[in-house]
Amino acid sequence: QQQVKQSPQSLIVQKGGISIINCAYENTAFDYFPWYQQFPGKGPALLIAIRPDVSEKKEGRFTISFNKSAKQFSLHIMDSQPGDSATYFCAAPGFQKLVFGTGTRLLVSP
Amino acid sequence: NAGVTQTPKFRVLKTGQSMTLLCAQDMNHEYMYWYRQDPGMGLRLIHYSVGEGTTAKGEVPDGYNVSRLKKQNFLLGLESAAPSQTSVYFCASSYLPGPNSPLHFGNGTRLTVT
Repeated sequence: QQQVKQSPQSLIVQKGGISIINCAYENTAFDYFPWYQQFPGKGPALLIAIRPDVSEKKEGRFTISFNKSAKQFSLHIMDSQPGDSATYFCAAPGFQKLVFGTGTRLLVSP
Repeated sequence: NAGVTQTPKFRVLKTGQSMTLLCAQDMNHEYMYWYRQDPGMGLRLIHYSVGEGTTAKGEVPDGYNVSRLKKQNFLLGLESAAPSQTSVYFCASSYLPGPNSPLHFGNGTRLTVT
């Protein structure tokens, strides 16, 4: 049974700073590790995903770093903006489904 | 292109009442899922479907039933609502199996059971 541990639960970052959210998983037979972004009143939306044949994937200000041996992956948001304030979920593959972390509420202060 | 549409958006039930949540997707996705979201608990899978006419249990299936009579629709039923089922419910769909494919979520149904 896949379990995903996500930290921190909440995060406050100043505008322009770097936001870092970490996740750890137990095991997987699949190779797809996504991050989802959720704004209040909306459903989660795919932000960025990585397949661990690479250790890092960057899309604009968002970067996933993946450490397969440690079974850990993290999301870095560079030059954080107030518009990035949202809840972020990591996910790892389980049997026939994705298993989500418990979420990180990010607040970027102006 | 509407994507994933959930109805209703809000609902208040009394303990013991029943209701059905409707999810419709127009992307011709084979796979559909029902999640519930609770503070500090993340997204937990209730039931899912790998195709029309099929359903399977997720992590927290007790107290819920589902049906997938048409490929584009996935219904979640509560036969006898309990306060513990107060939550935000999200439907999602995917083109490929969930572990290997992006999920497309609806905007949720906020359910309160008093």
